[in-house]
Amino acid sequence: ETGVTQTPRHLVMGMTNKKSLKCEQHLGHNAMYWYKQSAKKPLELMFVYNFKEQTENNSVPSRFSPECPNSSHLFLHLHTLQPEDSALYLCASSQERGAYTGELFFGEGSRLTVL
Amino acid sequence: QQQVKQSPQSLIVQKGGISIINCAYENTAFDYFPWYQQFPGKGPALLIAIRPDVSEKKEGRFTISFNKSAKQFSLHIMDSQPGDSATYFCAASVFGNTPLVFGKGTRLSVIA
Repeated sequence: ETGVTQTPRHLVMGMTNKKSLKCEQHLGHNAMYWYKQSAKKPLELMFVYNFKEQTENNSVPSRFSPECPNSSHLFLHLHTLQPEDSALYLCASSQERGAYTGELFFGEGSRLTVL
Repeated sequence: QQQVKQSPQSLIVQKGGISIINCAYENTAFDYFPWYQQFPGKGPALLIAIRPDVSEKKEGRFTISFNKSAKQFSLHIMDSQPGDSATYFCAASVFGNTPLVFGKGTRLSVIA
């Protein structure tokens, strides 16, 4: 495995379900990010973890709960979502000097549909 | 202040032509301007980036032009190829201090 891997690639859930998205990076980076990508909107930064510590929560509703157990893994726990939360959720990582220092390496995303 | 405005939303170019995508920003503190390329079913990937100490950067067929006084930057794709068909995102940040702010993206289609 190389790069940034996200699972599952597709997820359909009801509004009362609880599910999780997983991201794993094999690049030796220490900063990891969650982005939301919706049609015709800019990529929206959700969370940033730098050396496992959350450094950014971009006013994300509490129904999204991130977890970063180590520098290689990042989770996004989902519960009681709304249909407008349907989107592509992208995980990214960047170089170990710290967050925001250059190239973001993105995974292929998890396509979420909330019914 | 934090927005990056990107145009056009979509672009159709003949094979061999020049594709031009423009972005404008308001925050004068921004000092890092990358472009990301995203193919269908894939995540975005860095294509080319520029810092404001130069007005132009070229990598192969891809060129960023930067106008600091106008707070604008653009991506030029020379000799556009069908394989360049993708969505292109401009972005900006204060390098090392703030996260990237992305534009809404431009869907480029290069037709033969």
